[in-house]
Amino acid sequence: TQLLEQSPQFLSIQEGENLTVYCNSSSVFSSLQWYRQEPGEGPVLLVTVVTGGEVKKLKRLTFQFGDARKDSSLHITAAQPGDTGLYLCAGAYSGNTPLVFGKGTRLSVIA
Amino acid sequence: DAGVIQSPRHEVTEMGQEVTLRCKPISGHDYLFWYRQTMMRGLELLIYFNNNVPIDDSGMPEDRFSAKMPNASFSTLKIQPSEPRDSAVYFCASSLEGRAVDTQYFGPGTRLTVL
Repeated sequence: TQLLEQSPQFLSIQEGENLTVYCNSSSVFSSLQWYRQEPGEGPVLLVTVVTGGEVKKLKRLTFQFGDARKDSSLHITAAQPGDTGLYLCAGAYSGNTPLVFGKGTRLSVIA
Repeated sequence: DAGVIQSPRHEVTEMGQEVTLRCKPISGHDYLFWYRQTMMRGLELLIYFNNNVPIDDSGMPEDRFSAKMPNASFSTLKIQPSEPRDSAVYFCASSLEGRAVDTQYFGPGTRLTVL
């Protein structure tokens, strides 16, 4: 049973388009993180959200934590080829428990 | 500063052989994590250490897997004997305090292929 479902699994878009990817669970998380992983490398942290309804922006990336802290979304505005990669969400049930990762959304931005 | 260092980057071995993966965490980080990534199962936590002591090894799939951290700057993950289903990318990560909101810094991974 996958505790964190990410959708879509794969996404291929043209440069300049907007997109949203989702991370959903039936469980409540105390915090949630988004990572980006490029081929041949380890994941790199993008953002951490801890409060229900929280919105964080990182340049063209907007992250939102659901009000009930069971889901999250990542919106990218005007995607660029450099955004290509595997986007992983990871949640923790409490402040000191290990992270549970989703399988990720593999994004390809075509120039 | 050097990030998390893993070796080897690639390992190809035959079924039944012993495999040892190595990790050097970022200096000063108290927590070290071992993960396995496959297409089918995604990124799974195998075991993590705090100050060189194993805290949770419930993710270790079988007795064939073992991990050690003899000192603050070195950890190993050993598979003996290896099987084809162990083929995956194995990541080591470290963090300063181990809280869920802390940043985990991942190494580049070891791609293991068991024939």
